[in-house]
Amino acid sequence: DAKTTQPTSMDCAEGRAANLPCNHSTISGNEYVYWYRQIHSQGPQYIIHGLKNNETNEMASLIITEDRKSSTLILPHATLRDTAVYYCIVALAGDDKIIFGKGTRLHILP
Amino acid sequence: EAGVAQSPRYKIIEKRQSVAFWCNPISGHATLYWYQQILGQGPKLLIQFQNNGVVDDSQLPKDRFSAERLKGVDSTLKIQPAKLEDSAVYLCASSLALGPSTDTQYFGPGTRLTVL
Repeated sequence: DAKTTQPTSMDCAEGRAANLPCNHSTISGNEYVYWYRQIHSQGPQYIIHGLKNNETNEMASLIITEDRKSSTLILPHATLRDTAVYYCIVALAGDDKIIFGKGTRLHILP
Repeated sequence: EAGVAQSPRYKIIEKRQSVAFWCNPISGHATLYWYQQILGQGPKLLIQFQNNGVVDDSQLPKDRFSAERLKGVDSTLKIQPAKLEDSAVYLCASSLALGPSTDTQYFGPGTRLTVL
């Protein structure tokens, strides 16, 4: 079973920041938080991952709470192409295995 | 850099028939994964290879599914005989898998299987 809880769906206006929450209250100290997304009819795509510090790359920012029990993926300026299912996953470093839940279906509205 | 290649993209068969899917991972990626994604659900890992050895096949229905990765590069996944509940998208992924910074999985476009 997935170790994370995410809302089933969310809407966000185009051009605004999309903030996707994820709860992982049972995360252990050596587990990372990974985010993937899956655009319709494509395979999942890696977005970002982190352990305890906030992370940023060209796609998104990842904010992890101090107690590491939850995190938020931020897409700073959402576009229509960001419409997808977003998966939050916790996994051990070097374990290679990731377990997908049902994710959050993000709709970007024009 | 070329991505993960899969073929065919679509396949329609009747129940009890056999089917095979092919995957070519990113060059140099030691780890290869096959996932099954049923409509409305997240992908479920079926089997994981490290080079040409099986690391985890605990979720593979071995009475009808088989997979191989000869020479540690390409892989094939076979279903024989197929059942209606095997209708799904079959995703292949690969990774360098040397640690948290390199175990990002790269997915192919998938093969959509419909069993009638």
